[in-house]
This record gives sequence, structure tokens and C-alpha cells, in this order.
Amino acid sequence: GENVGLHLPTLSVQEGDNSIINCAYSNSASDYFIWYKQESGKGPQFIIDIRSNMDKRQGQRVTVLLNKTVKHLSLQIAATQPGDSAVYFCAEKQNAGNMLTFGGGTRLMVKP
Amino acid sequence: NAGVMQNPRHLVRRRGQEARLRCSPVKGHSHVYWYRQLPEEGLKFMVYLQKENIIDESGMPKERFSAEFPKEGPSILRIQQVVRGDSAAYFCASSRQGAYEQYFGPGTRLTVT
Repeated sequence: GENVGLHLPTLSVQEGDNSIINCAYSNSASDYFIWYKQESGKGPQFIIDIRSNMDKRQGQRVTVLLNKTVKHLSLQIAATQPGDSAVYFCAEKQNAGNMLTFGGGTRLMVKP
Repeated sequence: NAGVMQNPRHLVRRRGQEARLRCSPVKGHSHVYWYRQLPEEGLKFMVYLQKENIIDESGMPKERFSAEFPKEGPSILRIQQVVRGDSAAYFCASSRQGAYEQYFGPGTRLTVT
């Protein structure tokens, strides 16, 4: 769904802890999902992606989990660092077309 | 390798003027997308183009907005007779033929006074 005009939900974690950011998507026809990180004043930066035929994918310090049964996506960041502080967006692509539909975003704040 | 480039980074226009936003995709990318972002919100799809063709403009307002991606040169998003509600950050993304991942530029922040 879309958060229109609402303040971003915020996740505050201690440096070194693991972070989990969640996203609910709405379209069961979506076949591809991406997590982006957006720092203030910058464009979204690609973090990790996953196709709908997978339920888990790991990168460097990040893991994405996909649960198609409940249409839920999560991003796990291991050993969170101050540089991870940003707004994180999930995005989905429907199997017909190339456009991405973005979720409302979560602000991650890392306390030193 | 240069990523997606957008200019200008900041653009101020008075109501009724025209805004032209430019986007150069990653070298070798033939697909360009434009998105709009309001403060504290996610990005909203506007239009998807390949060279000389508009593929999907379902997110584009019917009036005052147009986009092109000519054979030579950058993609252009054009907003005619701007209104205050057009104030937003406009992001361009590009992708390779056959690839799903889109890489974003730094955006153009349009302010209409």
C-alpha cells in the first residue's frame, strides 16, 4: 500500500546490533522486489534484489526474505553501522511491465 | 563508470514557467524511467521510455507533462506552466535491456514559487 502524507516510521538501533526492516506489498502478481537505501538529498541506492521464485537472498551484511504467502518482504542488516542510517524503501515490479511500485519507506537511525 | 546523471540538481521556477529536467542514463542502458517524490514519501512512477519510444506513461499527468528520450542526447522531462503542486524531487533511473534492476540518479529538486 501507499503511505501518503504520513511521517515515516522510524527504527532506532544501537551500533553493532542487527536491524530488520519490514515491508508489506499488495500485488500477488509482483515477480521481482528490490530494496533501496536513500540518504538525505540523494537518489535511491540499490541494495539487494530478489525474484519471486526465491525466498531468501544474501549479500554483504544484508539479507532479504520474501514470504509470498503473506506478501511480506524484509531486509536484515547485520552489525548495523552509523553509515547505514538512511530511509529504506522496498519496491515491487509486476510481471507485466517494468515500472517499480515503491512502499512508503522506513527511517533507520543508528545510535553510536 | 559514470552512473545516472541528472541536471540541474536544483531548479526554481515561478508559476506558469516551464521546467526542463535532463537525464543521461548509465552508459549502455537503453531504458529510462522517471519518478516523482514528495517529502517523506516513496517514489511514484511517471513514465518509462526506450530510445525514441514511450513504453508506459500511465503515471504521467495528462496535461502539462511530457517526456522524450531521443536517439541522441539525454532524456527530457518537460513540465509546462508549472504550479506549486509540481514542487517535488524528480528522479530518473535507467536499466539495461532485459534487466530488472534500475539505477537512480541524484534527482532534480524543483521548487515552484
